[in-house]
Amino acid sequence: EIVLTQSPATLVLSPGERATLSCRASQSINYYLGWYQQKPGQAPSLLIYDASNRAAGSPARFSGSGSGTDFTLTISSLEPDDFAVYYCQQRYKWPLTFGGGTKVEIK
Amino acid sequence: EVQLVESGGSLVQPGGSLRLSCAASGFTFSSFYMHWVRQTPGEGLLWVARISADGSGTNYADSVEGRFTISRDNAKNTLYVQLGSLRVEDTAVYYCTREGPTTNWFDTWGQGTLVTVSS
Repeated sequence: EIVLTQSPATLVLSPGERATLSCRASQSINYYLGWYQQKPGQAPSLLIYDASNRAAGSPARFSGSGSGTDFTLTISSLEPDDFAVYYCQQRYKWPLTFGGGTKVEIK
Repeated sequence: EVQLVESGGSLVQPGGSLRLSCAASGFTFSSFYMHWVRQTPGEGLLWVARISADGSGTNYADSVEGRFTISRDNAKNTLYVQLGSLRVEDTAVYYCTREGPTTNWFDTWGQGTLVTVSS
């Protein structure tokens, strides 16, 4: 199965700062990568699909890039509502797999 | 409003079985592939199973193949998963999710239902 490795595990930043989250796949997954945001007590919600497309309702400050094995989620300027856990997921090959998550914490 | 509402989670003994349900509303349920995804503090998010829109095709994670069965009733707008031969490591919050029609990603999630496997 394809293993997705997210880094860092925790990112401590202040509101207004730029956040850069990484997801690395154990083999090439083309552009078949998505990003989800999960807030405490809630289900994940889709932010980015196919590596760089914003899902409906996702703010413009969220952007995704990458292809092959290396992907990045960027939050251009952190808002208080953005402090959450972020997961990447691949749909290139069965079984669908998720990364271990990056927690973005308030400094 | 597009909505998924899971139910059926509870405490069950190892080796036991349980059926989870997911009631869908606000969209044409019969047109969408549906999935179950589970989450534990230790394992994170794990995709469990998928079913095609008409119910004719299913896929499972290796860890649940042969023990879990995903199904749907399009007349009742309801998704199910039958959990069997349960193990302690199946303890998790189980989410039902919708596969987006154009994105093919999980564009809608339920609130989750907790399954605890313990003696």
